[in-house]
Amino acid sequence: SQKIEQNSEALNIQEGKTATLTCNYTNYSPAYLQWYRQDPGRGPVFLLLIRENEKEKRKERLKVTFDTTLKQSLFHITASQPADSATYLCALGSNTGNQFYFGTGTSLTVIP
Amino acid sequence: EPEVTQTPSHQVTQMGQEVILRCVPISNHLYFYWYRQILGQKVEFLVSFYNNEISEKSEIFDDQFSVERPDGSNFTLKIRSTKLEDSAMYFCASSDNRDSETQYFGPGTRLLVL
Repeated sequence: SQKIEQNSEALNIQEGKTATLTCNYTNYSPAYLQWYRQDPGRGPVFLLLIRENEKEKRKERLKVTFDTTLKQSLFHITASQPADSATYLCALGSNTGNQFYFGTGTSLTVIP
Repeated sequence: EPEVTQTPSHQVTQMGQEVILRCVPISNHLYFYWYRQILGQKVEFLVSFYNNEISEKSEIFDDQFSVERPDGSNFTLKIRSTKLEDSAMYFCASSDNRDSETQYFGPGTRLLVL
């Protein structure tokens, strides 16, 4: 079955630095990969989607890369702010169904 | 901005009881989903629903679970006979396209089975 791993359960960085979160997967060939933000006690909020034929996608301070050879996605938040503190989830999807597979998430804390 | 709503926000029930979790998806969306998240664990897909029928379900979604769209706005998840291990946060989501590339999640219902 598919396996999705996200780097270290918790990541602490200084305000203003770039946060880099990793999503690795095995036993799966996703058509696209998504990143979500989840705050405590809340539902996931969609941030970015990147397709298998795309290398990089940007949105404001966010950047996502997708390497289907390495089976890895990197999620970057530049000029990080304390308000960016949350858990970030990656989710994989295929074109043959509408089921998502979520990773366990990485908790990001941006220290002022 | 339109959003998915869920009721109740919290529900406590006794083991063996039936519970119904309610969701109001975004009004022009046609695809609906339920997910669960056990405390400290990952979000897990339960079921997707389109055109008044289940389009996909996971192995978690056994005979104890059922979904229904009783009217034009509500989407419900029923757990027939709750077990302790059903305690989790249940999220409803909706999307406006078949590929469901962007799903909008509700705030969740926290279910506690005693």
